[in-house]
Amino acid sequence: DAKTTQPTSMDCAEGRAANLPCNHSTISGNEYVYWYRQIHSQGPQYIIHGLKNNETNEMASLIITEDRKSSTLILPHATLRDTAVYYCIVTRYNTDKLIFGTGTRLQVFP
Amino acid sequence: SAVISQKPSRDICQRGTSLTIQCQVDSQVTMMFWYRQQPGQSLTLIATANQGSEATYESGFVIDKFPISRPNLTFSTLTVSNMSPEDSSIYLCSVERGGYTFGSGTRLTVV
Repeated sequence: DAKTTQPTSMDCAEGRAANLPCNHSTISGNEYVYWYRQIHSQGPQYIIHGLKNNETNEMASLIITEDRKSSTLILPHATLRDTAVYYCIVTRYNTDKLIFGTGTRLQVFP
Repeated sequence: SAVISQKPSRDICQRGTSLTIQCQVDSQVTMMFWYRQQPGQSLTLIATANQGSEATYESGFVIDKFPISRPNLTFSTLTVSNMSPEDSSIYLCSVERGGYTFGSGTRLTVV
């Protein structure tokens, strides 16, 4: 079973920040938090991952709470092309399989 | 990260037949994964395929229905056997190499 809990859906206005929460209260010390997204029937696309420090790349920022029981993916300036299902996954780095939960369906509107 | 070529991209098959899906990677990888995505659902892991050993199947999936081959470190196949309309799904392969990468998927319709 997936180890994460995410809201089923969220809306965001174009140009605004999209903040997608994820709960992973049973995360182990050696497990990372990964975020992927799937744009309508395409293969999932990697966004970002982290262990305990906040991370930022060209796509997004990942904020992990100090107790590591939850995290937030931030898309700083959402565009219509960011409309997708976003999956939060916890797994050991590079050594384990990815188990997908139900994800959050993000709808960006004009 | 790795680049994956998955074939076919889509197919329509008669019930009772079998379809073999191919996954070719541009570099050698240890682990390859096969997923199923039923209409409107999330991805479900079918099995993990390591070269030189039998695939490891997840609960609810069996080798007779989804036989997997892994002849070398860059290639794998998944066969969907004795198909029924309930097998209509998108099937995706994935590899881990500096991150997890997914193929574009095979959209299977069973009629």
